[in-house]
Amino acid sequence: AQTVTQSQPEMSVQEAETVTLSCTYDTSENNYYLFWYKQPPSRQMILVIRQEAYKQQNATENRFSVNFQKAAKSFSLKISDSQLGDTAMYFCAFSNSGAGSYQLTFGKGTKLSVIP
Amino acid sequence: DADVTQTPRNRITKTGKRIMLECSQTKGHDRMYWYRQDPGLGLRLIYYSFDVKDINKGEISDGYSVSRQAQAKFSLSLESAIPNQTALYFCATSDSEGENTEAFFGQGTRLTVV
Repeated sequence: AQTVTQSQPEMSVQEAETVTLSCTYDTSENNYYLFWYKQPPSRQMILVIRQEAYKQQNATENRFSVNFQKAAKSFSLKISDSQLGDTAMYFCAFSNSGAGSYQLTFGKGTKLSVIP
Repeated sequence: DADVTQTPRNRITKTGKRIMLECSQTKGHDRMYWYRQDPGLGLRLIYYSFDVKDINKGEISDGYSVSRQAQAKFSLSLESAIPNQTALYFCATSDSEGENTEAFFGQGTRLTVV
């Protein structure tokens, strides 16, 4: 079974600064997907960024980027120019690829507070 | 309108009562999921369905049952609610076409069992 570990239950960052959230995972699969989801106080789950394991290039979405280290099974999220609206719970998630394996395994989450 | 709609948004129920949480989607996806979120535990999979006739248990299915009434509808039932089923419940969908496994979530149902 796959496991996802987020070792930082809470973090804070000053507005406009950069913060990195950590995520490690364990799997014996070679092909899979990794995700970061954001959950603001509205409790909606919002996809922030997605990485396909067979792609070596790190995914980026505007101010959000990942550092994907496949050998180390590490998938960290970097938020640049932090904004107050980035305050939320952030969940790292894993999904196998291939038929019958699309359910997500989540980490326990990191609560990020952006301080004005 | 939301692509994945959960009803109710909030519910308080008594121990021992039967309760159903409903989920409907307009995305045309054939895969649907029910997750439970508890503070400090993240989201855990309760049940998932890859089509109307294919329903599977997830990590924490005990005490729950599901019904896939149609491609667009997937309901979660608590046959006899207990206080430790107090949690935030999410329905999600994903597409079976290609390799895109992005999940789309409903807005969640906060359930309190007293």
